Amino acid sequence: EVQLVESGGGLVKPGGSLRLSCAASGFTFSSYSMNWVRQAPGKGLEWVSSISSSSSYIYYADSVKGRFTISRDNAKNSLYLQMNSLRAEDTAVYYCARDGAQPGCFDYWGQGTLVTVSS
Amino acid sequence: DIQMTQSPSTLSASVGDRVTITCRASQSISSWLAWYQQKPGKAPKLLIYDASSLESGVPSRFSGSGSGTEFTLTISSLQPDDFATYYCQQYNSYPLTFGGGTKVEIK
Repeated sequence: EVQLVESGGGLVKPGGSLRLSCAASGFTFSSYSMNWVRQAPGKGLEWVSSISSSSSYIYYADSVKGRFTISRDNAKNSLYLQMNSLRAEDTAVYYCARDGAQPGCFDYWGQGTLVTVSS
Repeated sequence: DIQMTQSPSTLSASVGDRVTITCRASQSISSWLAWYQQKPGKAPKLLIYDASSLESGVPSRFSGSGSGTEFTLTISSLQPDDFATYYCQQYNSYPLTFGGGTKVEIK
């Protein structure tokens, strides 16, 4: 059974940093591109970042470019999102999601981890 | 960036109704479109990919159609479990973008 479990969320002050992790199991992690998608409270879904299976290709939304860094450790079956210079508008539930049959289409999602940026 | 526009934003319907949600892309995305269902407090669930392919395990009352810039998600006979918010998403190019969502409510 495919499982994605996010961790690392919490309360952080504006300008602070946080590192999210996503532990994957039930599939060959090193064969799949992975993604982060976020959802602000009461709002819609926003794609944040994607990373290819070997980390060769990385993409970011303009809203996080230069502040967030996606990475992965295939030996540990883990996906990461390093978030720096956090702003109030980064407050959201952050989901990790696996690429499905087509690149950029997400077939499995984690349960999400809440990041709150507030003083 | 490709903008995705869903309509309506809210839809009131009864069990057994046929429901149609529309998604428009600001430029052609061929058939690179997915539909997701999300219930409160839960992660989204993939329903349809490549505009019309049903994800494994998804009931056949869900169907998708369209190509280019106009797409639809149809629920042939609405069931109690289907009351949720639905999102379209394009994966033709980065940045990946979602529609604003359609909330299907009980009439």
